[in-house]
Amino acid sequence: DARVTQTPRDKVTEMGQEVTMRCQPILGHNTVFWYRQTMMQGLELLAYFRNRAPLDDSGMPKDRFSAEMPDATLATLKIQPSEPRDSAVYFCASGLLAGGRNEQFFGPGTRLTVL
Amino acid sequence: GENVEQHPSTLSVQEGDSAVIKCTYSDSASNYFPWYKQELGKRPQLIIDIRSNVGEKKDQRIAVTLNKTAKHFSLHITETQPEDSAVYFCAARTSGGYNKLIFGAGTRLAVHP
Repeated sequence: DARVTQTPRDKVTEMGQEVTMRCQPILGHNTVFWYRQTMMQGLELLAYFRNRAPLDDSGMPKDRFSAEMPDATLATLKIQPSEPRDSAVYFCASGLLAGGRNEQFFGPGTRLTVL
Repeated sequence: GENVEQHPSTLSVQEGDSAVIKCTYSDSASNYFPWYKQELGKRPQLIIDIRSNVGEKKDQRIAVTLNKTAKHFSLHITETQPEDSAVYFCAARTSGGYNKLIFGAGTRLAVHP
């Protein structure tokens, strides 16, 4: 069955390095979400796209984080420069906003460790 | 801003007992309330959802109830099994048509054999 995919699954990097995480939403879905999960903060919404347009990135630190959807099959989340406090699991989710349907389907996540 | 509170943060039950997790939300215009289950090291997966025009929904051993007046909703798991052990998240969709979900902080459920 169709699933959201994310790469890489694990990333270890040093402070100051650029990190790029990629997500392939389920084909036909028109909404994409980026979440960050830590033990302390639970599931935090970072950014939200509908029909590839960014609608809400109020949860994202603007100085170092950026999110884009270059096309309907790819969403990216970039951190530059990375810091140890960015260590977390980053989930991408996609959904079809139509006819009252609201389900969001999560990808497997990218576990980021910044040393 | 919008907020979802979830209780308890941890819940321990014996196999076969029932488990109840409760959430309250702040946005009275919220109209969709999903529940996600996340096993250790895995992705959150939708297990049941309810819309604001329904008071209760059941799927085998899982049920969700919604009280719009009080702005709270609950997840009920009956005849719990060890494989029900996981973190459960409730969420509420905000108003405005943006399909944005606000998640509760999660409940870690442990079912002991």
